[in-house]
Amino acid sequence: DAKTTQPPSMDCAEGRAANLPCNHSTISGNEYVYWYRQIHSQGPQYIIHGLKNNETNEMASLIITEDRKSSTLILPHATLRDTAVYYCIVNDGGSGSARQLTFGSGTQLTVLP
Amino acid sequence: DTGVSQDPRHKITKRGQNVTFRCDPISEHNRLYWYRQTLGQGPEFLTYFQNEAQLEKSRLLSDRFSAERPKGSFSTLEIQRTEQGDSAMYLCASSPKTGASGYGYTFGSGTRLTVV
Repeated sequence: DAKTTQPPSMDCAEGRAANLPCNHSTISGNEYVYWYRQIHSQGPQYIIHGLKNNETNEMASLIITEDRKSSTLILPHATLRDTAVYYCIVNDGGSGSARQLTFGSGTQLTVLP
Repeated sequence: DTGVSQDPRHKITKRGQNVTFRCDPISEHNRLYWYRQTLGQGPEFLTYFQNEAQLEKSRLLSDRFSAERPKGSFSTLEIQRTEQGDSAMYLCASSPKTGASGYGYTFGSGTRLTVV
């Protein structure tokens, strides 16, 4: 069973920041938060991951609350190409028994022109 | 191209036929995963290899499914006696052996199977 909760859908205006929330209240101390996205008819694409600290890369920023029970993926300037299903996943990074990623239903983000 | 390659991209087969898909992972990745995705759902884990060893199989992997990874390089997924319920996107992913920092998977574009 997926250990995360995400809203099924969100809209965002092109050029604005898209903030995608995720709840993971049962996350363990050694589990990372991963974000992937899947554009229609393609394989999922890795975006970012984090353990405790906030993270930023060329694609997005990841904000993890201090208690680690929730996180937010931020796409700072959303474009039409960012329209996709976004998956939030918790996983121990393969060092433990849960080597495979468990995907939930994700959030369908639609960027509107 | 240093990504994960899957072949074919699309496969249409008649019910009862056998099909085989191939996945070529990123060369330095020793972990390889197969997932299945049906319309409107997230990908579901099928099986996992570390090098040539198949270390984990999901309950979804019925007796009609078999996966191999000879020599720890490319992998094949075979479905025997296909059924209409096997129609789905079959995704392959690879990752390096992870350490404490964790690491993301790289997915291929998938093979879309349609059983008619």
